[in-house]
Amino acid sequence: SQQGEEDPQALSIQEGENATMNCSYKTSINNLQWYRQNSGRGLVHLILIRSNEREKHSGRLRVTLDTSKKSSSLLITASRAADTASYFCATATSGGSYIPTFGRGTSLIVHP
Amino acid sequence: ETGVTQTPRHLVMGMTNKKSLKCEQHLGHNAMYWYKQSAKKPLELMFVYSLEERVENNSVPSRFSPECPNSSHLFLHLHTLQPEDSALYLCASSQVMDRDIGELFFGEGSRLTVL
Repeated sequence: SQQGEEDPQALSIQEGENATMNCSYKTSINNLQWYRQNSGRGLVHLILIRSNEREKHSGRLRVTLDTSKKSSSLLITASRAADTASYFCATATSGGSYIPTFGRGTSLIVHP
Repeated sequence: ETGVTQTPRHLVMGMTNKKSLKCEQHLGHNAMYWYKQSAKKPLELMFVYSLEERVENNSVPSRFSPECPNSSHLFLHLHTLQPEDSALYLCASSQVMDRDIGELFFGEGSRLTVL
């Protein structure tokens, strides 16, 4: 069953602006991961955040996790045209599952 | 280059053909996955081979048949497919420890078109 759901489905911004994407999930998780996909290519891992962590940074990326609300957000600061891609969250449920499930993704377009 | 190689990158087949997709990982991982990506749908997990177990999505039709001869190779055998099976098929691998998945490494995908 589908676990994570990204919001918004599409986001269009100008270069230099920040982009925020959200992910909501339904059951308890071990970790949550964010991935990026350029059109027609494979997914590339961005950040993994564990259930006992609240925030994580990687370069221009900032991920937060609120387990009480079962939600996560991905913030891309000072966006660039090269950030244009689809972004997905993936969750691994707690209690023994090792099956990562993905949402539909957020399609981000950054205009130069 | 992610360490996961998929071949072929593009495949066109008729509904009566038999073909196979191949995936190879050079990362020493102990889990491999097949995902199907169709337009405007969530990434759909088809099969997982992990820790010598196989897990499958019960909604995957029997015309898709996976094979995992060792921890580095994964195949998806295709037989009498339908046009709605046209999609991007993605292979991934990860290191599973204590049933907790780590980062997934994806191949570039095999774009399948069924005529």
